[in-house]
Amino acid sequence: EVQLVESGGGVVRPGGSLRLSCTASGFTFDDYGMGWVRQAPGKGLEWVSDINWNGGSTGYADSVKGRFTISRDNAKNSLYLQMDSLGAEDTALYHCARALRYCSAGGCSSGASDYWGQGTLVTVSS
Amino acid sequence: DIQMTQSPSSLSASVGDRVTITCRASQSISTYLNWYQQKPGKAPKLLIYAAFSLQSGVPSRFSGSGSGTDFTLTISSLQPEDFATYYCQQGYSTPYTFGQGTKLEIK
Repeated sequence: EVQLVESGGGVVRPGGSLRLSCTASGFTFDDYGMGWVRQAPGKGLEWVSDINWNGGSTGYADSVKGRFTISRDNAKNSLYLQMDSLGAEDTALYHCARALRYCSAGGCSSGASDYWGQGTLVTVSS
Repeated sequence: DIQMTQSPSSLSASVGDRVTITCRASQSISTYLNWYQQKPGKAPKLLIYAAFSLQSGVPSRFSGSGSGTDFTLTISSLQPEDFATYYCQQGYSTPYTFGQGTKLEIK
């Protein structure tokens, strides 16, 4: 059974930092790209970042570029999100998700997420 | 960035109804379109990827169609467990943006 368990959330002051972790089990971790999606309280889903299977390629939403860093440790079946210069707008439930790679119409995408963790809550408040 | 716009934002329907939700991309995304269902307090669930491919384990009453900029999610006969919020997401290029969501409520 595929499981993704996030940790590391909490309350942090504006301008502070936090490191989220996601531990994966039930599948061969280094066969898959991974990503983070967040959801502010009462709001919709926002794609945050993704990373390919070996960490050689990463992507970020404009809202976090330059402040957040995604990484992975395949030996530990773990995904990370280092979040710096946090602001109130970063308050959200952060989900770890496994990327589903599919090919369609002459190309391929890793933009779908087929398994999700339950999330870890980040609250930025003074 | 590619903007995704869903309509309607909310929808009331009855068990047994046929329901359609639409999603429009700000530029052509071919068939790189995904649909998710989210229930309160739960993580999203992938329903459809590549515009019309049903994710394993998802009931066949869910179907997707479209290409280019216009897409639809159809539920052929609503069941009580289908009342939830639905999101589209483009998988064409990062950032993989989501639509704002469509809340499907019981009439």
